[in-house]
Amino acid sequence: GAGVSQSPSNKVTEKGKDVELRCDPISGHTALYWYRQSLGQGLEFLIYFQGNSAPDKSGLPSDRFSAERTGGSVSTLTIQRTQQEDSAVYLCASSLTIQTTSRYEQYFGPGTRLTVT
Amino acid sequence: AQSVSQHNHHVILSEAASLELGCNYSYGGTVNLFWYVQYPGQHLQLLLKYFSGDPLVKGIKGFEAEFIKSKFSFNLRKPSVQWSDTAEYFCAVRGPNDYKLSFGAGTTVTVRA
Repeated sequence: GAGVSQSPSNKVTEKGKDVELRCDPISGHTALYWYRQSLGQGLEFLIYFQGNSAPDKSGLPSDRFSAERTGGSVSTLTIQRTQQEDSAVYLCASSLTIQTTSRYEQYFGPGTRLTVT
Repeated sequence: AQSVSQHNHHVILSEAASLELGCNYSYGGTVNLFWYVQYPGQHLQLLLKYFSGDPLVKGIKGFEAEFIKSKFSFNLRKPSVQWSDTAEYFCAVRGPNDYKLSFGAGTTVTVRA
């Protein structure tokens, strides 16, 4: 079946502009995650959704970052007033469940490479 | 603070050489452990995983990893690498009662033909 998809694959934006990154998880996966991969910072967790709810937003780097998920499916990560330090690859992942007692793995999408000029 | 450490930043090997990549974590309690691989131009793919049971787990493409609880380690091994194993390898840990993955910094493996 189809894997996790993300769009756009590349985004170049000017400093100060807003951007929206989209993630379409694997069908039937209730949990969705956003990570960021950047030089010097490695892979860092941003936020997760269980259904449409995001119980923990503490991983978001600043209040310029927000995310939502609708219909238990597609998620959008929005970065307002982009800064050069926001340049990174933004990865989305999904999993069948999120129960900590369950055995499950996360499946990653191809990422969106964001460049802020 | 809880952390995941990968010992090698860049490993260069010749084909048919053996590979071992180190991974240590600082979490106490029950953890789930993963190795992901990112081939050039491709997305992160799961190589293997450990939840419980036999500490020696086998993954795809001839890779295996051994969980040593006393050493808080989950090292990745392959007896004989191929040029196609050139990639970046990430160790990841899901801590007790956690939902997110914490990743090591990654190891770039270059296999020379």
